[in-house]
Amino acid sequence: EIVLTQSPATLSLSPGERATLSCRASQSVSSYLAWYQQKPGQAPRLLIYDAFIRATGIPARFSGSVSGTDFTLTISSLEPEDFALYYCQQRNSWPLTFGGGTKVEIK
Amino acid sequence: EVQLLESGGGLVQPGESLRVSCAASGFTFSNSAMSWVRQAPRKGLEWVSIIFSGSGNTYYSGSVEGRFTISRDNSKNTLYLQMNNLRPEDTAVYYCARGGGHIPTYFDYWGQGTLVTVSS
Repeated sequence: EIVLTQSPATLSLSPGERATLSCRASQSVSSYLAWYQQKPGQAPRLLIYDAFIRATGIPARFSGSVSGTDFTLTISSLEPEDFALYYCQQRNSWPLTFGGGTKVEIK
Repeated sequence: EVQLLESGGGLVQPGESLRVSCAASGFTFSNSAMSWVRQAPRKGLEWVSIIFSGSGNTYYSGSVEGRFTISRDNSKNTLYLQMNNLRPEDTAVYYCARGGGHIPTYFDYWGQGTLVTVSS
């Protein structure tokens, strides 16, 4: 089973700042990784898939990148609605797995 | 508008069974892979199972294989998860999720979830 390790667990930032979230895979997942956003009491929302492709309707301030087994989600300038939990998920092999999440909170 | 509406959650005792359902609308259900993803209280997301369109092939996480069965009724646009021999660690909100377009192993639409509580 591929383990996805997200860091940091919590990111404390102010609106307008840049957020950088990390997801490291325990073995290669090629570029087959997605990012989701989840707000309290809501279902997750797909943001990015295949490492860097924005899902439909996702603002351009969200971007993804990859270097080997290290994946990064960047939010270029935090909006108030971006403070939430973020999860990564790999589809390279069974079982599909999620990371443990990063909480982006208001500083 | 794509809608996924889960139902059937509740409180059960360890060792009992429960079936949860997901009614789909707003898209061609029979053409879409569908998954169940769960989230234990104050915990992260855990993928549970997937059923593909066409072939109907299924996959499960190791933690539920042999106990849970995913199925679909395309005539009713409904996804099911039959859960047997439930354990306290199965307590979670169960979400159904649609497989995204040409990549069925990402999830582009989610329901609001149904809570399953396993406790004596």
